[in-house]
Parts: sequence; C-alpha cells; structure tokens
Amino acid sequence: QQPVQSPQAVILREGEDAVINCSSSKALYSVHWYRQKHGEAPVFLMILLKGGEQKGHEKISASFNEKKQQSSLYLTASQLSYSGTYFCGTEYNYGQNFVFGPGTRLSVLP
Amino acid sequence: DTEVTQTPKHLVMGMTNKKSLKCEQHMGHRAMYWYKQKAKKPPELMFVYSYEKLSINESVPSRFSPECPNSSLLNLHLHALQPEDSALYLCASSSDRTYEQYFGPGTRLTVT
Repeated sequence: QQPVQSPQAVILREGEDAVINCSSSKALYSVHWYRQKHGEAPVFLMILLKGGEQKGHEKISASFNEKKQQSSLYLTASQLSYSGTYFCGTEYNYGQNFVFGPGTRLSVLP
Repeated sequence: DTEVTQTPKHLVMGMTNKKSLKCEQHMGHRAMYWYKQKAKKPPELMFVYSYEKLSINESVPSRFSPECPNSSLLNLHLHALQPEDSALYLCASSSDRTYEQYFGPGTRLTVT
C-alpha cells in the first residue's frame, strides 16, 4: 500500500524553509527519505524507525509521529542543491514490502 | 567504497531478444534490490535478495528473472519483453533489510 506524500510540488526561494509530509493508513515500521535529481539515482537522506525519533543533520531533519503514522521532512534555509524529487519509502514490518511514495518535486530558485 | 555499479547504461532490445542486466557492489551488503522506474514515477520494487536468497517477488512477470550468483553480484535476465517494460532499472544494496539503500545509476531499457 503506497504512502501518501504532500505537497505534490513546492517552489522555494533560496534560504526559505519547506516541510514535506508522508503518511500511511497502516502502522509503519520504518520510513526512509530519499532525494532524486533529474537523470540520477535516488540518494539516501535518512531513516526513521517506529519510536517517534527525530533525526537530522545540519539543515535537513525528519520526524516520525507514530500516533499519526506520519513522517515529516524539514528542509531549513534551502539551497539550490536541494532541488529534486523527494520520496519517502515505507515498511510495515521488518523487511516487508518496501514501498515508495509518489514523490514531492522541490524547486529552489535563486 | 559506497558505489553500486550497473551495466549496461543503456540497452535497446527487441521483443524476442534475451539480455541481462548486471549490478555489483563491494560494500559487504547482504541485501540487494531491483527496482523499475517509469518517468515521473517512484521506483517500484521488483525483487529483493537477502543473504543471497530471494525474499520478495512482487508479482513480477516471469519474463524478468533475477539471479544472485554471490553476495556482491545481482543479475536481471530479460526475455520476451514488451514495449511497456521500457523503463529505468535501478539496482540498490543495503547492509541488511530496513537499512539505508545505496542505488546504482540504473540501466535505461528500451524495448522495440
């Protein structure tokens, strides 16, 4: 069952912040976040396991709300290099049926 | 070395051809994946090998046949494909299931 991502697309100016959400109707075991630039392979950003732990480094962080079965990716003071499509990937149990969300297209303008 | 390599980069094949895609990693990862990605869509999981054993087959048509000769190599054998199978085929690996996945650059497949 594919998770839902919102928004579908967002346009930012350099230095602005953004939040991308990923939600599921079923209880999640893990949520992964990846970024894919046009013509390139997806690149891992971070992983969150059930437990509500927030992770991050520098200007990109993420949280996982077990009660809502929702994860949010926070991009702070966005840079041009943040442009790309952000996918969340979810598992409902360990090692089972990893599914990517439909993606959120992020464009950062100068 | 955090690289996953895939060959070939591009492949054009007819509907009656037999071809293979190759993926290799030297990170000591024990899980390897095949994904199919269409334009403007997310990658779709096709196969997962965990410790060289096929653990998930997402109801992929039999014209796609995976093989894991050893812990570093993953092949995808193609036979009698359809034009709708044209896509980017991505290979990924992770140290174990649920861990972060490292993706290769992909093979762009066109079926004529």
